[in-house]
Amino acid sequence: DGGITQSPKYLFRKEGQNVTLSCEQNLNHDAMYWYRQDPGQGLRLIYYSQIVNDFQKGDIAEGYSVSREKKESFPLTVTSAQKNPTAFYLCASSQYWRDTQYFGPGTRLTVL
Amino acid sequence: EDKVVQSPLSLVVHEGDTVTLNCSYEVTNFRSLLWYKQEKKAPTFLFMLTSSGIEKKSGRLSSILDKKELFSILNITATQTGDSAIYLCAVYNFNKFYFGSGTKLNVKP
Repeated sequence: DGGITQSPKYLFRKEGQNVTLSCEQNLNHDAMYWYRQDPGQGLRLIYYSQIVNDFQKGDIAEGYSVSREKKESFPLTVTSAQKNPTAFYLCASSQYWRDTQYFGPGTRLTVL
Repeated sequence: EDKVVQSPLSLVVHEGDTVTLNCSYEVTNFRSLLWYKQEKKAPTFLFMLTSSGIEKKSGRLSSILDKKELFSILNITATQTGDSAIYLCAVYNFNKFYFGSGTKLNVKP
């Protein structure tokens, strides 16, 4: 089955720790995205990648880092520099840059 | 500043009711408007609208775009409890997607 997977579903982290969220797609999509969702707010773009080995900052990239070494994978690292990391994180992909996006199931990160 | 505004923020109806969700936008270089349904986790794609006045329909859901007045509506007829979700509107220009904050729909039996 083709799709987007994210792991883990739930993640708890202590303050001061870095943590990496996984996002994998087997749709052969060129573009991948990371969003953050907070209650009462729309999705906010953290980073995006139009093509493998390339990525760009979104609207709220501070405290986050990404890599795109393989077409299928776009991991997001939440660093200790992110001041308020507790949120729901959604990964998405699209066939091409600027195409309709399809979302993974999300990871809920809680910082204790 | 480019933005997408959805209304109402939340809505409670009973099964069988018809609901209309609104999405207004101010986004430069508009290309398309998308509706997503988000239940507990991932948003799932519903419709993409690019042209004014052409209704998109899927079962009990339908949507239409007005590019002159800069809004779209999502209609759900004969609502069911399974329609309970957050409905997200997103507008795409030639640069990125802009998401609204969503409308939380609760359909009671």
